[in-house]
Amino acid sequence: EVQLVESGGAVVQSGGSLRLSCAGSGFLFRDYTMHWVRQGPGMGLEWVALIGWDGNNRQYAESVKGRVTISRDNARNSLFLQMYSLRPEDTAVYFCAKDGAYVNSYGYYFDQWGQGTRVTVAS
Amino acid sequence: VVLTQSPGTLSFSPGERATLSCRASQTVTSNYVAWYQQKPGQAPRLVIYHASSRATGIPDRFSGSGSGTDFTLAINRVETEDFAVYYCQQYGNSPSTFGGGTKLEIK
Repeated sequence: EVQLVESGGAVVQSGGSLRLSCAGSGFLFRDYTMHWVRQGPGMGLEWVALIGWDGNNRQYAESVKGRVTISRDNARNSLFLQMYSLRPEDTAVYFCAKDGAYVNSYGYYFDQWGQGTRVTVAS
Repeated sequence: VVLTQSPGTLSFSPGERATLSCRASQTVTSNYVAWYQQKPGQAPRLVIYHASSRATGIPDRFSGSGSGTDFTLAINRVETEDFAVYYCQQYGNSPSTFGGGTKLEIK
C-alpha cells in the first residue's frame, strides 16, 4: 500500500522559514516524480512544485518561485519543501503527492496523496 | 488556464445520475484533465485522468468525458459515499491549474 506522510507544518511569523518533509513507502520512490500541492483555508487546490525522479528537474509555481526549494533524498524515500520569506497567503495545508505517470516520466497529475501538514503564517 | 466549475453546489438524491462541469478558458492540450474527489478532512483522491480514464479502484459508475475546453464528470446512480467536493485539474498547459470545485450534496 502506497503511503505518503507529511510532517513539519507549524505556526510561523511572516518572513519566517519552514521545512516540510514527506516520507514515502509502498512504492519505488526513486522512480517517480513527486509534487507539493497546497490548499488554503476553505479554498481550492494549488500546485506548488515538482521534482523529477532523479532530482534533476525542479519546477515551481510563480506564486512561490524564489521563496521555496524542493528536494528529495531517494536513499531515505523522502521529499522536502524548504520555504523562506513566508507570507500570510502561504497559509495552507501542504500535501505531498505522487505523480501519476509511469516510472521516470512526468504526468503532472497526482495518483496518491498524503494527509497533509498545516502551515500557518501569522502576520 | 482558468478552470470554471459551476455551479458551486449540486444537489442529488441517491440513485440519480449526476453530471459535473468543468470549463477551461482555453483549449487543454491533449485533453489532459483529471478529476479528484475530496471529503472533509481528507486528502483529494484521483478519480479520472486523461479526461476519461478511471483511476485504480474507482467504481465504474464514474465516467469522464469531454475535449477542448469542456469536460464532464458523470456519476451514474450516485451513492451516499459519493457526496463530496470534486475538483477538476488541467495539466496539458503549464502551469497545471485546478478548478474551484463543485460540492455534490444530498438532496
